Amino acid sequence: GQQVMQIPQYQHVQEGEDFTTYCNSSTTLSNIQWYKQRPGGHPVFLIQLVKSGEVKKQKRLTFQFGEAKKNSSLHITATQTTDVGTYFCAGSFSSGSARQLTFGSGTQLTVLP
Amino acid sequence: DGGITQSPKYLFRKEGQNVTLSCEQNLNHDAMYWYRQDPGQGLRLIYYSQIVNDFQKGDIAEGYSVSREKKESFPLTVTSAQKNPTAFYLCASSITGGPKTQYFGPGTRLLVL
Repeated sequence: GQQVMQIPQYQHVQEGEDFTTYCNSSTTLSNIQWYKQRPGGHPVFLIQLVKSGEVKKQKRLTFQFGEAKKNSSLHITATQTTDVGTYFCAGSFSSGSARQLTFGSGTQLTVLP
Repeated sequence: DGGITQSPKYLFRKEGQNVTLSCEQNLNHDAMYWYRQDPGQGLRLIYYSQIVNDFQKGDIAEGYSVSREKKESFPLTVTSAQKNPTAFYLCASSITGGPKTQYFGPGTRLLVL
């Protein structure tokens, strides 16, 4: 089946350091979404990327969608303790499956004060 | 307030027992989804529904059943055939047509006694 691979699985950073998580698909994605899940909470939508090569920013967060629409990344500049949580990418495939989204396995971010 | 609710927050199941998890939304969304999340893992799709009285199996439907008699409601039954049901269950909803942001409920933690 179609899968979205996400790395790393875990990342520990010192507060103030940068953080990046990557997603990759073997087939073209029609769009990719990013979600954040705080410890003990539920996933919350962050952003959606649709266009090839698209870059979007939300304060310290930068989201990129690859030129081939097969990969994406989330970069956090100068992490803060409030950034703690698990970040998921979720892709929709061009085949137009009615199932909507395929989630990556997530990257669990720990920020050490 | 518009949103998606799940109940109960915690649920304990005895061996051989069926249990039903509730999911209700007042967002007027046509599509609804059930995901299972195991510790340190991503979201795996159990069932999804695009419209009332219709639903499809996801990646891990065995041992689960659903119904969609009303637009607002999408209950999930964990049957005794599900041999490893302990997990965090998340319900989500979205509009249909175009890129589809999913809105998640707070989740139900199921534990087998």
